Amino acid sequence: QVQLVQSGAEVKKPGASVKVSCKASGYTFASYGISWVRQAPGQGLEWMGWISPYNGDTNFAQKLQGRVTMTTDTSTSTAYMQLRSLRSDDTAVYYCGRVWSGNEFDYWGQGTLVTVST
Amino acid sequence: QAVLTQPSSLSASPGGSASLTCTLRSDITVDTYWIYWYQQKPGSPPQYLLRYKSDSDKEQGSGVPSRFSGSKDASANAGILLISGLQSEDEADYYCMIWHNSAYMFGGGTKLTVL
Repeated sequence: QVQLVQSGAEVKKPGASVKVSCKASGYTFASYGISWVRQAPGQGLEWMGWISPYNGDTNFAQKLQGRVTMTTDTSTSTAYMQLRSLRSDDTAVYYCGRVWSGNEFDYWGQGTLVTVST
Repeated sequence: QAVLTQPSSLSASPGGSASLTCTLRSDITVDTYWIYWYQQKPGSPPQYLLRYKSDSDKEQGSGVPSRFSGSKDASANAGILLISGLQSEDEADYYCMIWHNSAYMFGGGTKLTVL
């Protein structure tokens, strides 16, 4: 069965970077994109960007361009999202989601809480 | 103005129906967009429900009951998620999403209370 398993919670200081992983199983990793979505406490969903594991193409939300990097390792079927220059308003649960054939996010990771605090 | 606007909350009765709206900003026309719907329960990731463009272009998510359905109201420039036969387990947050200007956009979400 399809699974996306994310890395554990992180606590970071303002100005630091965080790297969250998303390990996929149960399907051909290179065949479908991975999107990253975050959710601040008590708030809605915010799309961060997308990466194609097939060729490494990326597309980022304008708001995060310059601070976010997305990569994949096809040898381990793992996607990574790195966010730099962290601020307190980056505190959120970060999710990865598989982008299926109709552009829907049909499977999601369990989420990774990133807390940015002094 | 937000690209997608959803009412913040909605209440409905068990066994009844709920119509959740997702209104597109006035400069973009609902007719040309796929509208995606997700359900999220507290402490869990979102779950994909369905996507809808027209009555001939729609797809139900795998395992999603047929009492969840999509439609559009062109006069209101809105996508609609209709949930019939409401059950207590349908109490959740619901988000709409579109692909617009090379980016995915989410609505702010509607908290559905079943009571």
